[in-house]
Amino acid sequence: GAGVSQSPRYKVTKRGQDVALRCDPISGHVSLYWYRQALGQGPEFLTYFNYEAQQDKSGLPNDRFSAERPEGSISTLTIQRTEQRDSAMYRCASSLTGGAYEQYFGPGTRLTVT
Amino acid sequence: TQLLEQSPQFLSIQEGENLTVYCNSSSVFSSLQWYRQEPGEGPVLLVTVVTGGEVKKLKRLTFQFGDARKDSSLHITAAQPGDTGLYLCAGVNAGGTSYGKLTFGQGTILTVHP
Repeated sequence: GAGVSQSPRYKVTKRGQDVALRCDPISGHVSLYWYRQALGQGPEFLTYFNYEAQQDKSGLPNDRFSAERPEGSISTLTIQRTEQRDSAMYRCASSLTGGAYEQYFGPGTRLTVT
Repeated sequence: TQLLEQSPQFLSIQEGENLTVYCNSSSVFSSLQWYRQEPGEGPVLLVTVVTGGEVKKLKRLTFQFGDARKDSSLHITAAQPGDTGLYLCAGVNAGGTSYGKLTFGQGTILTVHP
């Protein structure tokens, strides 16, 4: 079956532009997570959803970052007025439900802000 | 803020050697997961440990959860080049609105030389 997909895989944008990163979770998975990962480091939690409800957004760095999952399936992470420090790998993961269930990670979107 | 300290950050060994990776926190987690990540891919779950003092074995890999559920270790016996990768521990939040949220350690980059 299909795993978690993310698009675009690579995004280069100029400083000050807005970007939208998409995550398509495994069908039927209730929970969806967004992380940011630096090379060779562990993922850093950004936010997560159960169904369409955003449960925790404590990891979003500032108010330029927002996320939504309006129909409880596909999610979009939006970064407004991008800055060079936003350059990173953004990963999405989904799990059957919350708790200790396995999280399945997508391939990530490599964002570069020039 | 829950933090997981993972050590060592880098490990370079010869094929056939044994190694241990440590994951420590001052916080209690409901469970702890270990992931392995290869270059260009997302993390993939190896094991979840739930009970304090629990030991799980996966072929040459042995995972242990501390009695107080604050620390864990991963021991690899007779390492092989195929074990090369980024190893990540992740604590699962115990409850509340962040139930299921993963807090990752910084990761251990393991290189096994033939």
